[in-house]
Amino acid sequence: GDSVTQMEGPVTLSEEAFLTINCTYTATGYPSLFWYVQYPGEGLQLLLKATKADDKGSNKGFEATYRKETTSFHLEKGSVQVSDSAVYFCALSRGSGGYQKVTFGTGTKLQVIP
Amino acid sequence: EADIYQTPRYLVIGTGKKITLECSQTMGHDKMYWYQQDPGMELHLIHYSYGVNSTEKGDLSSESTVSRIRTEHFPLTLESARPSHTSQYLCASSQAGNTEAFFGQGTRLTVV
Repeated sequence: GDSVTQMEGPVTLSEEAFLTINCTYTATGYPSLFWYVQYPGEGLQLLLKATKADDKGSNKGFEATYRKETTSFHLEKGSVQVSDSAVYFCALSRGSGGYQKVTFGTGTKLQVIP
Repeated sequence: EADIYQTPRYLVIGTGKKITLECSQTMGHDKMYWYQQDPGMELHLIHYSYGVNSTEKGDLSSESTVSRIRTEHFPLTLESARPSHTSQYLCASSQAGNTEAFFGQGTRLTVV
């Protein structure tokens, strides 16, 4: 079945450091890939997405590129801020016909210290 | 901004009580989902619906039940709450195809 594996946290970085959160997936067909962010006490918000191989999703300084050859979708940001402290979820969505399945990774907690 | 709402945000209730968690969306999405999120953050799909009068159980077995009488409304009910039901419950919806899901803010349930 489908699966998403992301690096375990927590990840602690100093402000302005470079961020990478690794995500790899296993799925048949051509899934869409997503990164969601969850701030404390909130639901998940879509951060960025990519729908086909070599697509790059970007938002708020975060980027991720859909790499089909390595089945990866690593999240990167060049300079993190304290306000980026949150839990980040990698996810894939795959469907055919009326059926759609969304699979989430286990989440990576990021803490950015001043 | 996503138009999906969950009420209540927080609920503390005694063992044995019946509760209903509300979820409504105004985006006209056919697909709706309920996830249970444990303290370790992992999300577990417990119910989903592909449209009115369609409900299915998810990957994680749950004693809760759901109904989908209207497109915009997807309530979750626990007939008899237990402390093991203490968790955060997240509702989501999506359009057809491999599109993103939109999440509500969640209901944090505590059963004492």
